[in-house]
Amino acid sequence: QKEVEQDPGPLSVPEGAIVSLNCTYSNSAFQYFMWYRQYSRKGPELLMYTYSSGNKEDGRFTAQVDKSSKYISLFIRDSQPSDSATYLCAMINAGGTSYGKLTFGQGTILTVHP
Amino acid sequence: NAGVMQNPRHLVRRRGQEARLRCSPMKGHSHVYWYRQLPEEGLKFMVYLQKENIIDESGMPKERFSAEFPKEGPSILRIQQVVRGDSAAYFCASSPPSLATNEKLFFGSGTQLSVL
Repeated sequence: QKEVEQDPGPLSVPEGAIVSLNCTYSNSAFQYFMWYRQYSRKGPELLMYTYSSGNKEDGRFTAQVDKSSKYISLFIRDSQPSDSATYLCAMINAGGTSYGKLTFGQGTILTVHP
Repeated sequence: NAGVMQNPRHLVRRRGQEARLRCSPMKGHSHVYWYRQLPEEGLKFMVYLQKENIIDESGMPKERFSAEFPKEGPSILRIQQVVRGDSAAYFCASSPPSLATNEKLFFGSGTQLSVL
């Protein structure tokens, strides 16, 4: 079993739709949770960074963490064609020898069509 | 824009040759990480370096792979005697030295290695 599970999709939605992306994980030591966006032939770009359970909002993006269920989500409101990309969840233990050692999900391919 | 710079963008090697991938971190960043992205798989951690030190190489294959981050110049990921299974996108990331923020990695655009 993978430490982080993410449905690879692909996911196709019309412009303006609300998009929900999810990951589940098995390692209860994960403390920091991130969402990265990766355009084709580009490096991952950090979108959201959260610590602990709860919600964090940034513009059209909302990240949600439920540690009790080991489940994280990213919501995109009013989706735009420019949001078409692969979305990667990532997580990490707190400190110690884990610096920079992110564990990524496989990524979900999202297409927003006009 | 002083982002993470990787070169070359594309590298083609024949089996048995050596591949050298370069990475210059963002300005002010002293921590460098290498990740590998294989087809149909997510990004996998390989190694974490600071200047002149390898901090964590637990994700590096035991043979043929090495990494360095010298006092001067870019970080280098070196793959000796490449095989077809080494074909992948190799990403470098960097982070600030602050203890509170070094989980926030900033990635380069990657080097796509193709082994013929």
